[in-house]
Amino acid sequence: EDQVTQSPEALRLQEGESSSLNCSYTVSGLRGLFWYRQDPGKGPEFLFTLYSAGEEKEKERLKATLTKKESFLHITAPKPEDSATYLCAVQAGGNNRLAFGKGNQVVVIP
Amino acid sequence: GAVVSQHPSWVICKSGTSVKIECRSLDFQATTMFWYRQFPKQSLMLMATSNEGSKATYEQGVEKDKFLINHASLTLSTLTVTSAHPEDSSFYICSARGGGASYEQYFGPGTRLTVT
Repeated sequence: EDQVTQSPEALRLQEGESSSLNCSYTVSGLRGLFWYRQDPGKGPEFLFTLYSAGEEKEKERLKATLTKKESFLHITAPKPEDSATYLCAVQAGGNNRLAFGKGNQVVVIP
Repeated sequence: GAVVSQHPSWVICKSGTSVKIECRSLDFQATTMFWYRQFPKQSLMLMATSNEGSKATYEQGVEKDKFLINHASLTLSTLTVTSAHPEDSSFYICSARGGGASYEQYFGPGTRLTVT
Protein backbone atom coordinates (compact mmCIF):
# COMPACT_ATOMS: atom_id res chain seq x y z
CA GLU A 1 0.00 0.00 0.00
CA ASP A 2 1.28 3.45 -0.91
CA GLN A 3 2.29 5.47 2.13
CA VAL A 4 3.02 9.17 2.46
CA THR A 5 4.28 10.73 5.69
CA GLN A 6 4.73 14.44 6.14
CA SER A 7 6.74 16.15 8.86
CA PRO A 8 6.56 18.28 10.86
CA GLU A 9 2.79 18.29 11.32
CA ALA A 10 2.83 21.94 12.34
CA LEU A 11 5.44 24.65 12.03
CA ARG A 12 5.54 28.24 13.25
CA LEU A 13 8.03 30.50 11.54
CA GLN A 14 9.05 34.08 11.97
CA GLU A 15 8.74 36.11 8.81
CA GLY A 16 11.99 35.68 6.88
CA GLU A 17 12.96 32.46 8.69
CA SER A 18 13.59 29.86 5.98
CA SER A 19 12.66 26.23 6.61
CA SER A 20 11.91 22.92 4.91
CA LEU A 21 8.96 20.54 4.92
CA ASN A 22 9.49 16.82 4.47
CA CYS A 23 7.43 14.26 2.60
CA SER A 24 8.57 10.64 2.86
CA TYR A 25 6.95 8.09 0.61
CA THR A 26 6.81 4.35 0.08
CA VAL A 27 5.32 3.41 -3.27
CA SER A 28 5.76 0.86 -5.99
CA GLY A 29 6.51 2.54 -9.29
CA LEU A 30 6.29 6.27 -8.65
CA ARG A 31 4.52 8.10 -11.48
CA GLY A 32 4.66 11.51 -9.87
CA LEU A 33 4.89 13.40 -6.58
CA PHE A 34 2.70 16.46 -6.14
CA TRP A 35 2.72 19.41 -3.78
CA TYR A 36 -0.43 21.39 -3.09
CA ARG A 37 -1.22 24.37 -0.89
CA GLN A 38 -4.54 24.44 0.94
CA ASP A 39 -5.99 27.46 2.72
CA PRO A 40 -8.76 26.97 5.31
CA GLY A 41 -12.15 26.33 3.74
CA LYS A 42 -10.73 26.06 0.21
CA GLY A 43 -9.70 23.34 -2.18
CA PRO A 44 -6.03 22.47 -2.67
CA GLU A 45 -4.08 24.66 -5.07
CA PHE A 46 -1.59 22.90 -7.32
CA LEU A 47 2.04 23.89 -6.79
CA PHE A 48 4.45 21.35 -8.30
CA THR A 49 4.83 17.95 -9.92
CA LEU A 50 8.10 16.04 -9.60
CA TYR A 51 8.64 12.92 -11.66
CA SER A 52 12.14 11.62 -11.01
CA ALA A 53 14.88 11.72 -8.38
CA GLY A 54 17.07 14.78 -8.68
CA GLU A 55 14.34 16.94 -10.12
CA GLU A 56 13.79 20.40 -8.66
CA LYS A 57 11.13 23.02 -9.28
CA GLU A 58 10.75 26.58 -8.03
CA LYS A 59 7.97 29.10 -7.70
CA GLU A 60 8.55 32.37 -5.93
CA ARG A 61 9.71 31.51 -2.38
CA LEU A 62 9.02 27.78 -2.78
CA LYS A 63 11.38 25.12 -4.07
CA ALA A 64 10.54 21.43 -4.28
CA THR A 65 13.11 18.66 -4.55
CA LEU A 66 12.83 14.90 -4.96
CA THR A 67 14.93 11.88 -4.02
CA LYS A 68 14.06 8.20 -4.29
CA LYS A 69 12.55 8.19 -0.82
CA GLU A 70 11.44 11.73 -0.01
CA SER A 71 10.65 15.20 -1.19
CA PHE A 72 11.36 18.52 0.44
CA LEU A 73 9.49 21.76 0.07
CA HIS A 74 11.85 24.59 0.95
CA ILE A 75 10.32 27.92 1.94
CA THR A 76 12.81 30.75 1.59
CA ALA A 77 12.27 33.98 3.55
CA PRO A 78 8.58 33.23 4.15
CA LYS A 79 5.94 35.90 4.41
CA PRO A 80 2.67 35.76 6.38
CA GLU A 81 0.79 35.02 3.15
CA ASP A 82 2.72 31.73 2.92
CA SER A 83 0.73 30.51 5.93
CA ALA A 84 -1.25 27.45 4.79
CA THR A 85 -1.34 23.68 4.94
CA TYR A 86 0.99 22.10 2.39
CA LEU A 87 -0.11 18.70 1.11
CA CYS A 88 2.11 16.10 -0.51
CA ALA A 89 0.63 13.37 -2.69
CA VAL A 90 1.99 10.53 -4.81
CA GLN A 91 0.66 8.63 -7.76
CA ALA A 92 2.05 5.19 -8.37
CA GLY A 93 1.72 2.22 -10.64
CA GLY A 94 -1.26 2.07 -12.90
CA ASN A 95 -3.39 3.80 -10.33
CA ASN A 96 -5.38 6.89 -11.09
CA ARG A 97 -5.67 7.90 -7.47
CA LEU A 98 -3.43 10.12 -5.38
CA ALA A 99 -2.24 9.02 -1.95
CA PHE A 100 -2.08 12.08 0.30
CA GLY A 101 -0.05 12.79 3.39
CA LYS A 102 -1.71 14.49 6.34
CA GLY A 103 -0.15 17.84 5.53
CA ASN A 104 2.27 20.35 7.01
CA GLN A 105 0.47 23.25 8.67
CA VAL A 106 2.66 26.34 8.39
CA VAL A 107 2.07 29.60 10.22
CA VAL A 108 4.32 32.56 9.43
CA ILE A 109 4.34 35.23 12.11
CA PRO A 110 4.98 38.84 11.08
CA GLY B 1 -5.28 27.53 -17.02
CA ALA B 2 -6.57 24.31 -15.37
CA VAL B 3 -9.47 25.88 -13.50
CA VAL B 4 -12.08 23.74 -11.77
CA SER B 5 -15.28 25.19 -10.35
CA GLN B 6 -17.82 23.78 -7.92
CA HIS B 7 -21.37 24.80 -7.27
CA PRO B 8 -22.72 25.51 -4.76
CA SER B 9 -19.91 26.64 -2.49
CA TRP B 10 -22.05 25.92 0.53
CA VAL B 11 -25.44 24.34 1.12
CA ILE B 12 -27.69 23.66 4.09
CA CYS B 13 -30.34 20.99 3.75
CA LYS B 14 -32.75 19.13 5.96
CA SER B 15 -32.25 15.53 6.97
CA GLY B 16 -33.78 13.15 4.44
CA THR B 17 -33.46 15.43 1.43
CA SER B 18 -31.03 15.09 -1.47
CA VAL B 19 -28.36 17.54 -2.54
CA LYS B 20 -26.54 17.80 -5.86
CA ILE B 21 -23.06 19.27 -6.19
CA GLU B 22 -21.64 20.19 -9.60
CA CYS B 23 -17.99 20.11 -10.60
CA ARG B 24 -16.84 21.70 -13.86
CA SER B 25 -13.50 21.92 -15.60
CA LEU B 26 -13.58 25.37 -17.17
CA ASP B 27 -10.63 25.42 -19.55
CA PHE B 28 -9.72 21.80 -20.21
CA GLN B 29 -11.38 18.49 -20.89
CA ALA B 30 -11.36 16.22 -17.87
CA THR B 31 -11.20 12.58 -18.80
CA THR B 32 -11.18 11.65 -15.13
CA MET B 33 -12.79 13.37 -12.18
CA PHE B 34 -12.45 12.58 -8.51
CA TRP B 35 -14.60 13.28 -5.47
CA TYR B 36 -13.08 13.75 -2.04
CA ARG B 37 -14.39 14.36 1.41
CA GLN B 38 -12.46 16.27 4.05
CA PHE B 39 -13.15 16.44 7.76
CA PRO B 40 -11.79 19.30 9.91
CA LYS B 41 -8.03 19.15 10.46
CA GLN B 42 -7.76 16.00 8.32
CA SER B 43 -6.44 15.24 4.89
CA LEU B 44 -8.53 14.45 1.84
CA MET B 45 -10.34 11.13 1.66
CA LEU B 46 -11.03 9.84 -1.84
CA MET B 47 -14.64 8.78 -2.29
CA ALA B 48 -14.80 7.83 -5.95
CA THR B 49 -13.21 8.12 -9.37
CA SER B 50 -15.23 8.69 -12.50
CA ASN B 51 -14.35 8.57 -16.17
CA GLU B 52 -16.49 10.35 -18.72
CA GLY B 53 -19.30 8.10 -19.91
CA SER B 54 -18.49 5.30 -17.47
CA LYS B 55 -19.77 4.25 -14.08
CA ALA B 56 -17.87 5.64 -11.13
CA THR B 57 -15.48 3.49 -9.13
CA TYR B 58 -16.12 3.88 -5.42
CA GLU B 59 -13.58 3.47 -2.66
CA GLN B 60 -14.11 0.80 -0.05
CA GLY B 61 -16.63 1.86 2.55
CA VAL B 62 -18.32 4.51 0.39
CA GLU B 63 -21.99 3.75 -0.26
CA LYS B 64 -22.61 4.02 -3.99
CA ASP B 65 -26.38 4.26 -3.53
CA LYS B 66 -25.98 7.17 -1.16
CA PHE B 67 -23.37 9.12 -3.10
CA LEU B 68 -24.47 9.10 -6.74
CA ILE B 69 -21.85 10.25 -9.20
CA ASN B 70 -22.49 11.14 -12.82
CA HIS B 71 -19.78 12.15 -15.30
CA ALA B 72 -21.90 12.90 -18.32
CA SER B 73 -19.46 15.08 -20.24
CA LEU B 74 -15.77 15.90 -20.39
CA THR B 75 -16.34 19.07 -18.39
CA LEU B 76 -19.02 18.15 -15.86
CA SER B 77 -19.37 15.69 -13.01
CA THR B 78 -22.06 15.73 -10.34
CA LEU B 79 -22.24 14.24 -6.87
CA THR B 80 -25.70 13.71 -5.38
CA VAL B 81 -25.96 12.99 -1.69
CA THR B 82 -29.23 11.12 -1.34
CA SER B 83 -31.34 11.04 1.83
CA ALA B 84 -28.77 13.16 3.61
CA HIS B 85 -28.19 12.80 7.34
CA PRO B 86 -26.25 15.00 9.77
CA GLU B 87 -23.27 12.65 9.59
CA ASP B 88 -22.98 13.49 5.88
CA SER B 89 -22.13 17.06 6.81
CA SER B 90 -18.64 17.67 5.49
CA PHE B 91 -16.46 19.53 3.01
CA TYR B 92 -16.71 17.91 -0.43
CA ILE B 93 -14.02 18.65 -3.00
CA CYS B 94 -13.78 17.53 -6.61
CA SER B 95 -10.72 17.35 -8.79
CA ALA B 96 -10.18 16.84 -12.48
CA ARG B 97 -7.41 15.37 -14.59
CA GLY B 98 -6.94 15.84 -18.28
CA GLY B 99 -5.85 13.03 -20.54
CA GLY B 100 -2.41 12.20 -21.84
CA ALA B 101 0.79 11.82 -19.85
CA SER B 102 0.01 14.39 -17.18
CA TYR B 103 -1.11 12.97 -13.84
CA GLU B 104 -1.80 16.31 -12.24
CA GLN B 105 -5.15 16.76 -10.58
CA TYR B 106 -6.65 20.23 -10.29
CA PHE B 107 -9.05 20.83 -7.46
CA GLY B 108 -12.25 22.78 -7.16
CA PRO B 109 -12.84 25.22 -4.32
CA GLY B 110 -14.98 22.77 -2.37
CA THR B 111 -18.59 22.62 -1.17
CA ARG B 112 -19.49 22.86 2.49
CA LEU B 113 -22.56 20.68 3.17
CA THR B 114 -24.47 21.04 6.42
CA VAL B 115 -27.37 18.68 7.09
CA THR B 116 -29.73 19.78 9.85
